[in-house]
Amino acid sequence: AQSVTQLDSQVPVFEEAPVELRCNYSSSVSVYLFWYVQYPNQGLQLLLKYLSGSTLVESINGFEAEFNKSQTSFHLRKPSVHISDTAEYFCAVSDRSDTGRRALTFGSGTRLQVQP
Amino acid sequence: GAGVSQSPSNKVTEKGKDVELRCDPISGHTALYWYRQRLGQGLEFLIYFQGNSAPDKSGLPSDRFSAERTGESVSTLTIQRTQQEDSAVYLCASMPTPYAGQAPYGYTFGSGTRLTVV
Repeated sequence: AQSVTQLDSQVPVFEEAPVELRCNYSSSVSVYLFWYVQYPNQGLQLLLKYLSGSTLVESINGFEAEFNKSQTSFHLRKPSVHISDTAEYFCAVSDRSDTGRRALTFGSGTRLQVQP
Repeated sequence: GAGVSQSPSNKVTEKGKDVELRCDPISGHTALYWYRQRLGQGLEFLIYFQGNSAPDKSGLPSDRFSAERTGESVSTLTIQRTQQEDSAVYLCASMPTPYAGQAPYGYTFGSGTRLTVV
């Protein structure tokens, strides 16, 4: 079984400032890692994923996350945020050996509030 | 359709009544999932459908919850004798079947149904 911890329920930040949203996971097996974003009044959208290869993955809108196996972390970062980045961000993991159900285990989410 | 469609978007019901939530997945997506998101909590897996295989119901919290899906089309989640603790956002997601050995590339979620039991 896996679990995901997002320590910060809310992160207020000023526009153009850097931000880091923390995600730690616990698992007895190898996992895939995902970040989903939920903009106000919209469904969850896949932001980025780590499947294999380079531990640093990037999204098209400037976010990046780095898989750190020793620290079991997958923190999400952006060097300069915009008002439009205001949303809720969810970290999730999936068991690599689960080739059937492929269910995701989600964290409780972090609400990023970008202020002008 | 272009995305995963869920209806209704909001539902307020009285305690003890039955409710039915609908999910219309992306055409061609063989896998369909239902998740529940309670206020301030992460998403909880409820049930998984894969094509015509028997569904994985291991996440359903009680026998008041049931779900159906006909083939690879619409799914309905039914909650009987609703309780206040059933209040949550119910999310549906779909995904194509990956090829053997292929890594998953994430779900496509609907916008959810916000259920309030009063």
